Amino acid sequence: DVKVTQSSRYLVKRTGEKVFLECVQDMDHENMFWYRQDPGLGLRLIYFSYDVKMKEKGDIPEGYSVSREKKERFSLILESASTNQTSMYLCASSLWNGQETQYFGPGTRLLVL
Amino acid sequence: TQLLEQSPQFLSIQEGENLTVYCNSSSVFSSLQWYRQEPGEGPVLLVTVVTGGEVKKLKRLTFQFGDARKDSSLHITAAQTGDTGLYLCAGATRNTNAGKSTFGDGTTLTVKP
Repeated sequence: DVKVTQSSRYLVKRTGEKVFLECVQDMDHENMFWYRQDPGLGLRLIYFSYDVKMKEKGDIPEGYSVSREKKERFSLILESASTNQTSMYLCASSLWNGQETQYFGPGTRLLVL
Repeated sequence: TQLLEQSPQFLSIQEGENLTVYCNSSSVFSSLQWYRQEPGEGPVLLVTVVTGGEVKKLKRLTFQFGDARKDSSLHITAAQTGDTGLYLCAGATRNTNAGKSTFGDGTTLTVKP
């Protein structure tokens, strides 16, 4: 079974702090994604990566950056956390095979005070 | 921009009833996925459909991909309380943004005992 793990299930941070969210997948998938999920807004893509050191902006990249130094690891960085970044953050991975079935991690619920 | 519209947005039924959830688009997809998400968890893949007209069954769940690969439906027979959750459809296409999927906003299903 594909396993996608996220470093934290719950995080509480203060406004202005730098926040790192880590995601690791164990199935050698080329693609990795970061989404945020908010009530009434569905899943919104922040960034995705289709290879090591490659990244592309999603629909809402402002205030976020990403890093993919190794194929299995994709990090989301909030340079200076703000209260409007309080959300559920979901990481996913997929093969690049035309089906693009995505496998999700359990999510990190981030609260920015 | 590709859009996937899911209906209904909310559904509350009694245990034992049948239900159908719809996922519609004006775009053609090379594959379509259905996921179920429970509160506080990441979405979990239920099925992937790739062929127009394809029907897949997963116990009491029946998934159908439209002939034109623009729409899909999920039918649940004799719903159980364990079916409660958020159901998401997602479509993928083979294009320059290979690897990205378009997600619907979801159908929140509540099955009452």
